[in-house]
Amino acid sequence: DTAVSQTPKYLVTQMGNDKSIKCEQNLGHDTMYWYKQDSKKFLKIMFSYNNKELIINETVPNRFSPKSPDKAHLNLHINSLELGDSAVYFCASSRKTSSGANVLTFGAGSRLTVL
Amino acid sequence: EDQVTQSPEALRLQEGESSSLNCSYTVSGLRGLFWYRQDPGKGPEFLFTLYSAGEEKEKERLKATLTKKESFLHITAPKPEDSATYLCAVQHSGAGSYQLTFGKGTKLSVIP
Repeated sequence: DTAVSQTPKYLVTQMGNDKSIKCEQNLGHDTMYWYKQDSKKFLKIMFSYNNKELIINETVPNRFSPKSPDKAHLNLHINSLELGDSAVYFCASSRKTSSGANVLTFGAGSRLTVL
Repeated sequence: EDQVTQSPEALRLQEGESSSLNCSYTVSGLRGLFWYRQDPGKGPEFLFTLYSAGEEKEKERLKATLTKKESFLHITAPKPEDSATYLCAVQHSGAGSYQLTFGKGTKLSVIP
């Protein structure tokens, strides 16, 4: 059973299009995230939801809109795609240790290519 | 602002040649320091959490250590299957802290 699953794994689209990436976790975690990994492999937080409530909203263009219909799902919709949006997008969920540290479990990633 | 710097960017080792990866960090109170492994085309996979200076954790050929300013990931007698990118991340101890800040990773190649 895949713990954090994302679809699609690959997405190739034209500039200006709108696209969505879906994420589901079956770990029972309360917190989910979207991270962006650029061509230099740098992982940067975009959004986080805790029990369907938005708790982290980094400086991301408002063309990016996350939605969490329930605590097991976190989707990412991107409007008016630009060349610079090409990257790998990772969904993750986390559990807190007894010390309050967040241990993240990542999905396999969705590689977005904008032409 | 939390900062994580990893060195070297890339490391090539012969099979059996032990070495260490470095992670220097700046954080306003450390809740946890994390090591992840990332294979090509896959998501990062959790390895260790360290909480306080002096702590050490081991898993197979990997041992992670922590000081107040940096963490080391020691690899003893590596094998080709240890080849991957190793990522370090920190979480600060502020109220409601959820965010992990990642370094850019060290790409390790182990040559047979």
